[in-house]
Amino acid sequence: SQTIHQWPATLVQPVGSPLSLECTVEGTSNPNLYWYRQAAGRGLQLLFYSVGIGQISSEVPQNLSASRPQDRQFILSSKKLLLSDSGFYLCAWIIKGGGELFFGEGSRLTVL
Amino acid sequence: GENVEQHPSTLSVQEGDSAVIKCTYSDSASNYFPWYKQELGKRPQLIIDIRSNVGEKKDQRIAVTLNKTAKHFSLHITETQPEDSAVYFCAASIDYKLSFGAGTTVTVRA
Repeated sequence: SQTIHQWPATLVQPVGSPLSLECTVEGTSNPNLYWYRQAAGRGLQLLFYSVGIGQISSEVPQNLSASRPQDRQFILSSKKLLLSDSGFYLCAWIIKGGGELFFGEGSRLTVL
Repeated sequence: GENVEQHPSTLSVQEGDSAVIKCTYSDSASNYFPWYKQELGKRPQLIIDIRSNVGEKKDQRIAVTLNKTAKHFSLHITETQPEDSAVYFCAASIDYKLSFGAGTTVTVRA
């Protein structure tokens, strides 16, 4: 069966520090991968999605970036965090051909 | 891009009553409409979905309706129970890219 792992689960970072969140999917190949952000009490904002290795589409201009160095690995990064980057970050995947979007357990980021 | 609006933002219902959440979407090319439930501090999980070639779908106490002409779809929960309390998100999908509504916080009063 397919599983998705996301880490770290929580982190507290100072403004201006770098960020790296990692996500891996097991049990499937060539999935579409997504990064969403959820601000406190808000909806799910699509940040990036990827249909294949090295292929990244950005939905919202910001100081974040994403990379897909391997088929089932998706990384969210920032060189310098802002206060507004605080939120709940969710990695997700979907099998090509459509169907359910599966979310990882999420990473709660607090920028101080 | 796709824009999904969701109403109401909060909904309080008496246990046993029905709850209805409505969403509209902007892009007529959207062809897949899932609903997700998110409990506090947890990840969203799919509860029901509908495709654009279907007008209605039901799964026990949950049903979803889709009006493609009007570009709106709704979630209906009947006989609500305390465990139905959560945040519910609708979404619309084009080419496997899901755009979500802002969410509805449902509270079921015992």
